[in-house]
Amino acid sequence: DIQMTQSPSSVSASVGDRVTITCRASQGIDTWLAWYQQKPGKAPNLLIYAASNLQSGVPSRFSGSGSETDFTLTINSLQPEDFATYYCQQANSSPYTFGQGTKLEIK
Amino acid sequence: EVQLVESGGGLVQPGGSLRLSCAASGFTFSTYWMYWVRQAPGKGLVWVSCINSDGTNTRYADSVKGRLTISRDNAKSTLYLQMNSLRVEDTAVYYCVRRAVGPSHYFAYWGQGTLVTVSS
Repeated sequence: DIQMTQSPSSVSASVGDRVTITCRASQGIDTWLAWYQQKPGKAPNLLIYAASNLQSGVPSRFSGSGSETDFTLTINSLQPEDFATYYCQQANSSPYTFGQGTKLEIK
Repeated sequence: EVQLVESGGGLVQPGGSLRLSCAASGFTFSTYWMYWVRQAPGKGLVWVSCINSDGTNTRYADSVKGRLTISRDNAKSTLYLQMNSLRVEDTAVYYCVRRAVGPSHYFAYWGQGTLVTVSS
């Protein structure tokens, strides 16, 4: 199974900041990677697919990059609604594993 | 508009059974792979199972293999998860998920989730 490791587990930031979250795969997955945002009590929301493609309706301040084993999610100019938990997920092979999550908190 | 509505969750004793359903609408159900993803209270997301469009190909996480069975009824646009021999560690919110357009396993549409609690 492919293990997905996110860092950091939590991060504090202020409105207007730029934040970067990283995700590492235990083996190469090309660009078969997605990023999700989840707010408390809600289902996750797909933000980025294929490592760098923005899902329809997602603000352009979100961006993704990387390939094979190392990936990043960047959020520019943080907005109040961005404070949530973020998960990466590999779509390369079953089981389609998630990272453990990164909680983005208001400083 | 894509809608996924789960039902069937509840409280069950260890060793018991439960069947979850997911009613789909707003898209051609019979053409999409479908998935179950779960989330234990306060924990992260865990992929559980998936099924191809005509129900001939199913996959499971090792932790549920042999106990949970995914199926679908394309005539009723409904996805199922039969849960047998339930364990305390199966306690979670179970989400029904539809993949994104195209040949990928990205999870684009999610239901609101249904809570399964396994406890004596």
